[in-house]
Amino acid sequence: KNEVEQSPQNLTAQEGEFITINCSYSVGISALHWLQQHPGGGIVSLFMLSSGKKKHGRLIATINIQEKHSSLHITASHPRDSAVYICAASRRGGSNYKLTFGKGTLLTVNP
Amino acid sequence: DTGVSQDPRHKITKRGQNVTFRCDPISEHNRLYWYRQTLGQGPEFLTYFQNEAQLEKSRLLSDRFSAERPKGSFSTLEIQRTEQGDSAMYLCASSLALGRLAETQYFGPGTRLLVL
Repeated sequence: KNEVEQSPQNLTAQEGEFITINCSYSVGISALHWLQQHPGGGIVSLFMLSSGKKKHGRLIATINIQEKHSSLHITASHPRDSAVYICAASRRGGSNYKLTFGKGTLLTVNP
Repeated sequence: DTGVSQDPRHKITKRGQNVTFRCDPISEHNRLYWYRQTLGQGPEFLTYFQNEAQLEKSRLLSDRFSAERPKGSFSTLEIQRTEQGDSAMYLCASSLALGRLAETQYFGPGTRLLVL
């Protein structure tokens, strides 16, 4: 079992729909990251969170430390949101520099 | 543009050849990371530097791989005697580490390697 699991692997939505991507982890973490990767490779950091909730525009990230679970929500989805969304964990302790990644969720938003 | 840059963006080579990739991090960042990503998978950690010191190497990094970060600025990743299994996207990231807190990593565009 991977230390960071994401679901679903693939997600297709219609423009305007509310999107949820889930991430579960089995390691102790100091922070949980959500990243976006567009075709061609470039990865952009969206959020880094260790508790509660963060919001940036139409994106919302939440984390439940007790349940070792995080969600990324996209409100009013748009075709330009189409990308791979990756969850990654910074381990707690001396290895907090190292990110352990999920496999990613491929999101396609159709007009 | 002051983000992380990588060169080349694409590399096609024949099996057995050596290749070298370069990463230029954000200038004030003291940590630099190399990751490898194969199709349909999330990135996997290869190695990281704190300033010029290479502090950890993944067991994924065989003896054919070597990385350097002279003077704590740019970094190079060399693969000797390439194999078809080395075909992947090689990603570089940098961050500013402040004590023991986790930090945001900033990624470069990656170098896509194809070994024929």
